[in-house]
Amino acid sequence: GQNIDQPTEMTATEGAIVQINCTYQTSGFNGLFWYQQHAGEAPTFLSYNVLDGLEEKGRFSSFLSRSKGYSYLLLKELQMKDSASYLCAGMDSNYQLIWGAGTKLIIKP
Amino acid sequence: IAGITQAPTSQILAAGRRMTLRCTQDMRHNAMYWYRQDLGLGLRLIHYSNTAGTTGKGEVPDGYSVSRANTDDFPLTLASAVPSQTSVYFCASSDSGQGDTGELFFGEGSRLTVL
Repeated sequence: GQNIDQPTEMTATEGAIVQINCTYQTSGFNGLFWYQQHAGEAPTFLSYNVLDGLEEKGRFSSFLSRSKGYSYLLLKELQMKDSASYLCAGMDSNYQLIWGAGTKLIIKP
Repeated sequence: IAGITQAPTSQILAAGRRMTLRCTQDMRHNAMYWYRQDLGLGLRLIHYSNTAGTTGKGEVPDGYSVSRANTDDFPLTLASAVPSQTSVYFCASSDSGQGDTGELFFGEGSRLTVL
């Protein structure tokens, strides 16, 4: 079956770095997405990886290893506004998105 | 620019009643989607539309119907609501359809409670 696994909750300190991991099993693969969702709000797009390696976008970076079925989202210089849920989604061979349950990130001062 | 607008924001509904959740986008995106989000679960696709006049079933379509009469509107109807349909519903759109890798733009969500 198809599955996305990510930790339920993580805690980090303001100004620090945090890495949110995601492992995926999909029937075929057409890319890996990360979305951010603040409590009570809509998800918003953060990144898309389809090739192996690291994609950097400001304080946020996303990494993909297709051979390992693994991705991570790296957040640097954490700010209080980064407190949110981070959703990992894999796209299968039919271009269907398979979503993880999300990782709730709590930032402490 | 509004993006995607959903209505109502929140609704409490008696079981057995009919309910339509409205979704309108002003980005002229071809593709639109309806998802439900439940605690502890990932977003689950209910129905989608790659372009006006066409619709398709997602992962959890039972009990729901959609229509896509024009590019902008994509209403979701619960013909006879049941308590298991209590959820937060998100409408989304993309500049491409199923079969492409475009990012999704989401509405603010409709929180539905069925008693």
